[in-house]
Amino acid sequence: QVHLVESGGGVVQPGRSLRLSCAASGFTFSSYAMHWARQAPDKGLEWVAFISYNGVTEYYADSVKGRFTISRDSSKLYLQMNSLRPEDTAVYYCGRNSGYHFDYWGQGILVTVSS
Amino acid sequence: QSALTQPASVSGSPGQSITISCTGTTSDVGAYNYVSWYQQHPGRAPKLMICDVNSRPSGVSNRFSGSKSGNTASLTISGLQAEDEGDYYCSSYTTRSTWVFGGGTKLTVL
Repeated sequence: QVHLVESGGGVVQPGRSLRLSCAASGFTFSSYAMHWARQAPDKGLEWVAFISYNGVTEYYADSVKGRFTISRDSSKLYLQMNSLRPEDTAVYYCGRNSGYHFDYWGQGILVTVSS
Repeated sequence: QSALTQPASVSGSPGQSITISCTGTTSDVGAYNYVSWYQQHPGRAPKLMICDVNSRPSGVSNRFSGSKSGNTASLTISGLQAEDEGDYYCSSYTTRSTWVFGGGTKLTVL
């Protein structure tokens, strides 16, 4: 079965960097595009970034463009987050893309940006 | 990238039907038939309930259905059950090759 597990979260000071990972199993990872989305405490979902199955194409939300970079290797998805701000505090989810939607989600990882 | 507009809350009694609306623009909901709906229980990851406006993934109850008219999509849950209680989010692909979520709707089963 499809399994997505995020890691790399934690507490970080404003302006610093953090890299999230998402380990994928149970499917042919290299055949699927992937997403990152996030959810601030007691708030709604926000789409963050997309990467094509082959890593050639990337898209970003305006709120993170120029600060975050999505990437992938043979079995993992990454989100490099630079110049972090308090408003980036959220649970971050990786998700598998199918067509134009998320068909599977990870359990999420908390990132807290605070001094 | 403004969030799609959903009602903050809806409620219904067991056995009843409810509908949650999701209003966007001609750049997202109105542009394509790529609206999806997700259910989220507290502390859990979202779960796909409807994709491509009205398609139900395998394993999702046929009590869940979707539709769209113009810039507004809707999720209908018939025969409400206690387990349906939770937060529901719509999402749409956009003309900028990005995705946008709705603000979320809290469903209470009375």
